[in-house]
Amino acid sequence: DIQMTQSPSSLSASVGDRVTITCRASQTVSSYLNWYQQKPGKAPKVLMYAVSSLQSGVPSRFSGGGSGKDFTLTISSLQPEDFATYYCQQTYNTPWTFGQGTKVEIK
Amino acid sequence: QVQLVQSGAEVKKPGASVKVSCKASGYTFTDYYMHWVRQAPGQGLEWMGRINPNSGDTNYAQRFQGRVTMTRDTSITTAYMELSRLRSDDTALYYCARDESSSSYNWFDPWGQGTLVTVSS
Repeated sequence: DIQMTQSPSSLSASVGDRVTITCRASQTVSSYLNWYQQKPGKAPKVLMYAVSSLQSGVPSRFSGGGSGKDFTLTISSLQPEDFATYYCQQTYNTPWTFGQGTKVEIK
Repeated sequence: QVQLVQSGAEVKKPGASVKVSCKASGYTFTDYYMHWVRQAPGQGLEWMGRINPNSGDTNYAQRFQGRVTMTRDTSITTAYMELSRLRSDDTALYYCARDESSSSYNWFDPWGQGTLVTVSS
């Protein structure tokens, strides 16, 4: 199975901050990398697919980058509604695995 | 709009089985794979497998092979996930999620609201 490791596991940031979350795969996943946002008590919601394609309706302050084994999710200016847990997911090989999550909290 | 509505919470004893349903609406049910993902309390997301609603073909994660069965009823646009020989560490929120794709890329959208399965003696 491909292991996905996110860093940091949690972070504290202020509204307006630029935030970057990293996701590393145990082997190449090419560009088969997605990002999800999950708020407490809610199902995950896709933000980005194929590394950097923004899902319809997702604000442009979210961006994704990387290829192969190393990927990033960047929020250019953190907004109050962005405080949540973020997960990366690879769909290169089954089982399609997720990172352990990064919790973004209010400073 | 596309919507996935799951069945209600379940409490089961160790060794029992549970069957969770996922009612799809707002799209052609047989055109999109359906996935099942679970999330233990306070933990991350774990992919369990997927079903092709058109053919009924399934792919299961190795760790669930032999214990999970995914089925569908196209007449009522509903997918099912049955997990047998339940253990306490199967206590989790179980989600269905529709497969979306473009070119060869896949992602999950939307997700059901989740079904809490509690395994306790």
